[in-house]
Amino acid sequence: DGGITQSPKYLFRKEGQNVTLSCEQNLNHDAMYWYRQDPGQGLRLIYYSQIVNDFQKGDIAEGYSVSREKKESFPLTVTSAQKNPTAFYLCASSIESGSSYNEQFFGPGTRLTVL
Amino acid sequence: AQSVAQPEDQVNVAEGNPLTVKCTYSVSGNPYLFWYVQYPNRGLQFLLKYITGDNLVKGSYGFEAEFNKSQTSFHLKKPSALVSDSALYFCAVRNYGQNFVFGPGTRLSVLP
Repeated sequence: DGGITQSPKYLFRKEGQNVTLSCEQNLNHDAMYWYRQDPGQGLRLIYYSQIVNDFQKGDIAEGYSVSREKKESFPLTVTSAQKNPTAFYLCASSIESGSSYNEQFFGPGTRLTVL
Repeated sequence: AQSVAQPEDQVNVAEGNPLTVKCTYSVSGNPYLFWYVQYPNRGLQFLLKYITGDNLVKGSYGFEAEFNKSQTSFHLKKPSALVSDSALYFCAVRNYGQNFVFGPGTRLSVLP
């Protein structure tokens, strides 16, 4: 998990609340990603950003929002519009530089539970 | 569309025996292939990747993987399993200019 931090480790949310998950990296990576992990479904891409001030929707972006104001930071907001937000959220980063063969580095994850 | 299959939800192996975790993929062109490991309540850790060249790729912790283009497979192997290898293993594929696609994961249990 070195180089990428996520906070908090555990997060509890009441229905109707927005919450923001933090992701910071000190690897000087260009690209950052947010994934959602549910049991038996692998990782599903929520949003990704390949450069500061630009980001793209992934496969399951509805109910989520992101920002990329700094290279090091890529926070994810889970809005009240997300109908089933209870999951394990993983942030990742990678060097891009026009290549697609660089591996991703993952943070330790945030477990979000809706009460 | 890219897809990755890991046909076994669970693999059980005795300590000291060889292990194999299977992965097959469906993607056009020449994809890049990856294996990651996840321990409970942790992020994924990179094990190894295939880009090009030799079909047998060696990675961290004694793991290796064999790329087979004709069978579109990228099975993860280790000659002698350790109890500490017990974890969730993910295969991933990436085509040029596209995002990663992860398989559903295979839980490996190494029994003492």
